[in-house]
Order: sequence, then structure tokens, then C-alpha cells
Amino acid sequence: AQSVTQLGSHVSVSEGALVLLRCNYSSSVPPYLFWYVQYPNQGLQLLLKYTTGATLVKGINGFEAEFKKSETSFHLTKPSAHMSDAAEYFCAVSSGRGSTLGRLYFGRGTQLTVWP
Amino acid sequence: KAGVTQTPRYLIKTRGQQVTLSCSPISGHRSVSWYQQTPGQGLQFLFEYFSETQRNKGNFPGRFSGRQFSNSRSEMNVSTLELGDSALYLCASSLEGELFFGEGSRLTVL
Repeated sequence: AQSVTQLGSHVSVSEGALVLLRCNYSSSVPPYLFWYVQYPNQGLQLLLKYTTGATLVKGINGFEAEFKKSETSFHLTKPSAHMSDAAEYFCAVSSGRGSTLGRLYFGRGTQLTVWP
Repeated sequence: KAGVTQTPRYLIKTRGQQVTLSCSPISGHRSVSWYQQTPGQGLQFLFEYFSETQRNKGNFPGRFSGRQFSNSRSEMNVSTLELGDSALYLCASSLEGELFFGEGSRLTVL
């Protein structure tokens, strides 16, 4: 069984400040991990993913995340927030293999607000 | 390369009616998944199709069904609509475990 917990449904930062969105997962198999972003009235856009290999993953728009197996975490960070980063962010996990390849388990999302 | 296309983008139905939503995946992608997004329940997996076969199914009642055609296009159907079916329905096509989402079909049930 797999699940995701996102700590903090709302996060507010000032423009230029560090962004840290927290994600912890539970998985009975080695996980594939994802961060998606959703802007109002739009679908989900993939920011970055971890499958295997390097545990520090770089994504689009300056975001990165680090897979920490011992902490079962996959926190998303960005050194300097921009106004355009304001959106809802979703962490997701899958087994990444076999018949469950297309099934993602999502967290409840974190709404990021960026203040000028 | 064109992305995932969902139609219609918005629709309004009344209770008891049925609705069919369509999804055209990215060319070459054989897997299509459907998700329901609501403020109360978040993103929930409905089902996944691969090469015209349902490969995985979430915990939704039988009123929710889907199918996939030989060209990988997919449809989902909801019969006997209830107010609680109001949601954003997202389709995703996938390749090697990475999902690409469409912009969704927003269904309002009155």
C-alpha cells in the first residue's frame, strides 16, 4: 500500500525567500516519487520526479527535491520564490512498475502563496 | 508534440443524467488514467486503461465506467449523476511511469 502526507495545506513566503514544501510517503516497494503543480482551472504539470539513481532531483522553474529513504521524505525546495510560483503543489507516489504503473497516490496538496 | 486533450472542458448536468468525457492521449502513449479532483477528497484514482484493457481500478461505484479504443483514446462515463459527482475529472497518459495530465473536464451537477 502507498500513501502520501503533505505537511501544511498552506504555505506563505515572501518573494525571494526559500520555498520548502514537505512530503512524506509510505510505500511497500521502492517508490517512484513526483511533484506536480496546478494553477487555477488547469491540469497538473510535472515539476520533477525521482525513479532511481541520484537522490537529489532537479526540476523545472528552479525547483528541486531530495529523496531520503531513511526519512521516507521527498521535500520540494526552491532557493528564491517568485510571484509566479503561487499555485497548488501535489506530491505523489507510485510503484512505478507493472499493472500499477499508471496509478498515483496523491497528497492533499499545499497551496503556496507568495507575497511581494 | 500535442499534449493530452480532454473534451469538453466544462459541462453542466442535472441529477440523474449521465455524462461522457473524452480524452486523447499523447501520441504513442498506450496508457490512460482517470482521476477525480474535489475539494473534499482531493485527487482520487478512478481507473487506468492500457491497450484497451482496464488494468487498474479505484474505489468508485459502478456508475463510473470507462473504455479505451484501439487508437488509445479513452472515454469515461458516469451514469445517474449525483450532486457529489461535481468535480474536475483529469485524464493522464503515461509512458514508463511518468503521467502527463490534460487540463481536465469540470463537471457541475445541479
